[in-house]
Amino acid sequence: QVQLQESGPGLVKPSETLSLTCTVSGGSISIYYWSWIRQPPGKGLEWVGYVFYGGNAIYNPSLKSRATISLDTSNNQFSLKLSSVTAADTAVYYCARDLKGWSGNHMDVWGKGTTVAVFS
Amino acid sequence: DIQMTQSPSSLSASVGDRVTISCRASQSIATYLNWYQHQPGKAPKLLIYATSSLHSGVPSRFSGSGSGTDFTLTISSLQPEDFATYYCQQSYSTPLAFGQGTKVEIK
Repeated sequence: QVQLQESGPGLVKPSETLSLTCTVSGGSISIYYWSWIRQPPGKGLEWVGYVFYGGNAIYNPSLKSRATISLDTSNNQFSLKLSSVTAADTAVYYCARDLKGWSGNHMDVWGKGTTVAVFS
Repeated sequence: DIQMTQSPSSLSASVGDRVTISCRASQSIATYLNWYQHQPGKAPKLLIYATSSLHSGVPSRFSGSGSGTDFTLTISSLQPEDFATYYCQQSYSTPLAFGQGTKVEIK
């Protein structure tokens, strides 16, 4: 059974880079798509982007090119880096497995989420 | 970008009630529509994918329908564990997008 676990600092200073890692257990990271999603306090879910085989990634343009998602196949992990953070980046960040097929994408396995606060 | 709009934003219902949540896309997304359940402090759970396919382990009281721009999630008989926020999500094109959520509360 595939499980995902997010990890990273809970506090980041404004203008710095947020770095999170998602560790995948129970399955290979070399197949499927792998997404990051976030939820700011009191708001809904926002898709950040995903990475897939070969390390290719697609991002939400709303992040204005600040996001980088990468694969680490040797450690069965994928990561998110978000540069030049502001208070608006304060959120619970989730990682998820994103199955892509004839029916489109759907995120069938999620991590429990990690809270990141941008605060000086 | 495709925008997703859910209605209502919240609703109050009793155990045993039939509940319907609507989701509208800003352009046609065929049947590339998923539904998730999110309870506070927990990871979101996939309920339905491709408009009407029930994810493994999800109770049959959940069902989905629609195509094009208008979609519906139905809970046939609301159970205590169903009180949560529900999100639709389009997978027709990137950026993937969620609706703003519908909070189902206890009446």
